[in-house]
Amino acid sequence: SQTIHQWPATLVQPVGSPLSLECTVEGTSNPNLYWYRQAAGRGLQLLFYSVGIGQISSEVPQNLSASRPQDRQFILSSKKLLLSDSGFYLCAWSVLQGQTQYFGPGTRLLVL
Amino acid sequence: DQQVKQNSPSLSVQEGRISILNCDYTNSMFDYFLWYKKYPAEGPTFLISISSIKDKNEDGRFTVFLNKSAKHLSLHIVPSQPGDSAVYFCAASARGGGADGLTFGKGTHLIIQP
Repeated sequence: SQTIHQWPATLVQPVGSPLSLECTVEGTSNPNLYWYRQAAGRGLQLLFYSVGIGQISSEVPQNLSASRPQDRQFILSSKKLLLSDSGFYLCAWSVLQGQTQYFGPGTRLLVL
Repeated sequence: DQQVKQNSPSLSVQEGRISILNCDYTNSMFDYFLWYKKYPAEGPTFLISISSIKDKNEDGRFTVFLNKSAKHLSLHIVPSQPGDSAVYFCAASARGGGADGLTFGKGTHLIIQP
């Protein structure tokens, strides 16, 4: 069966510090991968998606970037965090484009 | 511009009764719709989906209804149980084009009263 991992579970970072969140998927090959953010009291906003190694599409301009160095690894990064980057970050995967997505446990990021 | 709307931030239902969660969308390109359930500090869990070629899909206690002409879908939970208390997100995608991700509503917090 497929599983998706995210770490860390919780992160507290000062403003201006770098960020690296990691997501890995097991039990499937060539998944579509996604990064979402849920800000307090809001829905889920798609940040990035990837259909293959090295292929990244960004949905909104922001202070963040994403990379996919391996087939089942998706990384969310920032060089300098802003207060507004605080939120709950979710990684998800799907077999096909536009099909059901399955989410990881999430990372809660607090920027102080 | 919010393309998927869940106009009720919260809903309180008595245990054993029917819970009805509503969702409206504006993008006529959406052709696949999903409901997710989310507990605090956890990732959303997929519940049920429906393709635009259908108007109803049932899975156990969960039924999703789609009214394409009204651009409206609803999730029915019968009977409601205490473990159903969670935030429910409606999501949609346009498999024929557009962004590859899902467009989510802001969620409805369902509270099941004993």
